[in-house]
Amino acid sequence: DAGVTQSPTHLIKTRGQQVTLRCSPKSGHDTVSWYQQALGQGPQFIFQYYEEEERQRGNFPDRFSGHQFPNYSSELNVNALLLGDSALYLCASSVMDSNQPQHFGDGTRLSIL
Amino acid sequence: LAKTTQPISMDSYEGQEVNITCSHNNIATNDYITWYQQFPSQGPRFIIQGYKTKVTNEVASLFIPADRKSSTLSLPRVSLSDTAVYYCLVGRYSSASKIIFGSGTRLSIRP
Repeated sequence: DAGVTQSPTHLIKTRGQQVTLRCSPKSGHDTVSWYQQALGQGPQFIFQYYEEEERQRGNFPDRFSGHQFPNYSSELNVNALLLGDSALYLCASSVMDSNQPQHFGDGTRLSIL
Repeated sequence: LAKTTQPISMDSYEGQEVNITCSHNNIATNDYITWYQQFPSQGPRFIIQGYKTKVTNEVASLFIPADRKSSTLSLPRVSLSDTAVYYCLVGRYSSASKIIFGSGTRLSIRP
């Protein structure tokens, strides 16, 4: 049973470019959340998707957007990249309205030059 | 928001028992307490979750007092591979925006 998978594992972009990160949730999970983790800090919540809609959002600008597909997989899009967007981007999946913990992927390391 | 407070760092030796305590004074009635372990360049890995009293699994125990304002993660007989950052989280995952990762506890295990 595959856990949460993310692609790509590493990515290098330049300022002003756009990027798309992908996530496949753990089998049986219907909810996907995205986090940004800067070096040496804890993950920060970006947003959560359920039933193909953004349900909750953290304190991130609208340059950060997402999508969830009918098969529950999800994408995170970031436009007009800034140097400060360099981070590990984590995807976590869970089951809505359950007390089961989130399961995380190993993330995409995004470097902005 | 369910904010947690835990030590920034801890050191121990192989074979010892390690206890990491987390404070969560404003925990809500429906909140669960969850601990994650994270190695460099990997995603957080679920360790244990509880609501009250004591929970034990094959890798750890979680002790929660009656007032639920704190919790203690206990790692028995640690090894070098337990060197990692440990996060204590409080909340319900249907309300992910209300779950805050702090800076975690950096645990270093020495031979």
